[in-house]
Amino acid sequence: AQSVAQPEDQVNVAEGNPLTVKCTYSVSGNPYLFWYVQYPNRGLQFLLKYITGDNLVKGSYGFEAEFNKSQTSFHLKKPSALVSDSALYFCAVRQQAGNNRKLIWGLGTSLAVNP
Amino acid sequence: EPEVTQTPSHQVTQMGQEVILRCVPISNHLYFYWYRQILGQKVEFLVSFYNNEISEKSEIFDDQFSVERPDGSNFTLKIRSTKLEDSAMYFCASMQRETNEKLFFGSGTQLSVL
Repeated sequence: AQSVAQPEDQVNVAEGNPLTVKCTYSVSGNPYLFWYVQYPNRGLQFLLKYITGDNLVKGSYGFEAEFNKSQTSFHLKKPSALVSDSALYFCAVRQQAGNNRKLIWGLGTSLAVNP
Repeated sequence: EPEVTQTPSHQVTQMGQEVILRCVPISNHLYFYWYRQILGQKVEFLVSFYNNEISEKSEIFDDQFSVERPDGSNFTLKIRSTKLEDSAMYFCASMQRETNEKLFFGSGTQLSVL
């Protein structure tokens, strides 16, 4: 069965420090992987996706994520966190082939960036 | 940037009542979705809609649920007889084309069933 795990409910980081939000997945075959961010009282916003090609994907607001096939991970990273990055981050996956095209979502990780 | 808009932002209803949640997707998008998120739980896929028909639905999307695109701009989710467990945040999303793989979400409708 397809699944996504975000092992940390909350990540705290000081402004200016690097941040990592972890995601691991389980899917049949090759995955499509996504990160979305949800700011308070807003809908989810697309950050970045991995479809194929370079394992390091760059996205919006200076975020990037690295696809690691052997570890089935797709961790979200940013070299220098901003207070405005504080939000809820969701990882999602779906399989590339086959009829099951719906996204499977993680539970989300709350990122708090402290000034 | 264009936005997906949802109305109302909050809806309170009595158990057994019908509710209609409304969404206006981005105008040149072709694929439409409803998701929901029960407090503290995962974002769950409900249904996808393309070319005026449902293309995929989850096991949650039973006979009590229906979707419509009545006028080429609105995309509605109807729950015929609400249950307490339907209380959740409901998100509408749209995508320009399937190869794009980028979903645009609305701000959600918080449905409370009493």
